[in-house]
Amino acid sequence: KAGVTQTPRYLIKTRGQQVTLSCSPISGHRSVSWYQQTPGQGLQFLFEYFSETQRNKGNFPGRFSGRQFSNSRSEMNVSTLELGDSALYLCASRRGNTGELFFGEGSRLTVL
Amino acid sequence: GESVGLHLPTLSVQEGDNSIINCAYSNSASDYFIWYKQESGKGPQFIIDIRSNMDKRQGQRVTVLLNKTVKHLSLQIAATQPGDSAVYFCAENSPHYGGSQGNLIFGKGTKLSVKP
Repeated sequence: KAGVTQTPRYLIKTRGQQVTLSCSPISGHRSVSWYQQTPGQGLQFLFEYFSETQRNKGNFPGRFSGRQFSNSRSEMNVSTLELGDSALYLCASRRGNTGELFFGEGSRLTVL
Repeated sequence: GESVGLHLPTLSVQEGDNSIINCAYSNSASDYFIWYKQESGKGPQFIIDIRSNMDKRQGQRVTVLLNKTVKHLSLQIAATQPGDSAVYFCAENSPHYGGSQGNLIFGKGTKLSVKP
């Protein structure tokens, strides 16, 4: 059974640009969560989607957005990139409302 | 506040010894706790979880203890092996955070180094 797949794995952008990251959850999982990981702040919750609806949102500015498609795949977008957005962005999925979160390998974003 | 903290940022143990990684949480309403292991270049991997109606839960070579009185969580790894070297995170979930267990509050992490 394939795990959570995130693309791209690595990317470099410049300030002011925007970026879209993609996440394919484990087959049958309907919940997708996104986290930002930095050395200074650790793992911080961005948002969670379940059946195409955003259920929760973390304390991030409106430049961070996401969506989920009918096949449970999810994307997150960061607009007007700042240097501080450089981070590992992790996607996690789970089957229903409870249970173990399965994480992908992450998308490492570098903003120059 | 919303904080899950770890008492020790780094822990070095000898191969074969037992390891104990500690975690303090601040939200008494938290009802679900999880330990994750993250190896370099990989995403966090689930180790074990425990709900607030339990004090102890055992897995394969790992035990999680929950002390709700002092809001403390620990992960015990028996017979630590070089492959256990990684960063370990505790995480909590609470209805205060929206109730969804996809929204976890993570601690900063403890780096475990196992010396052969």
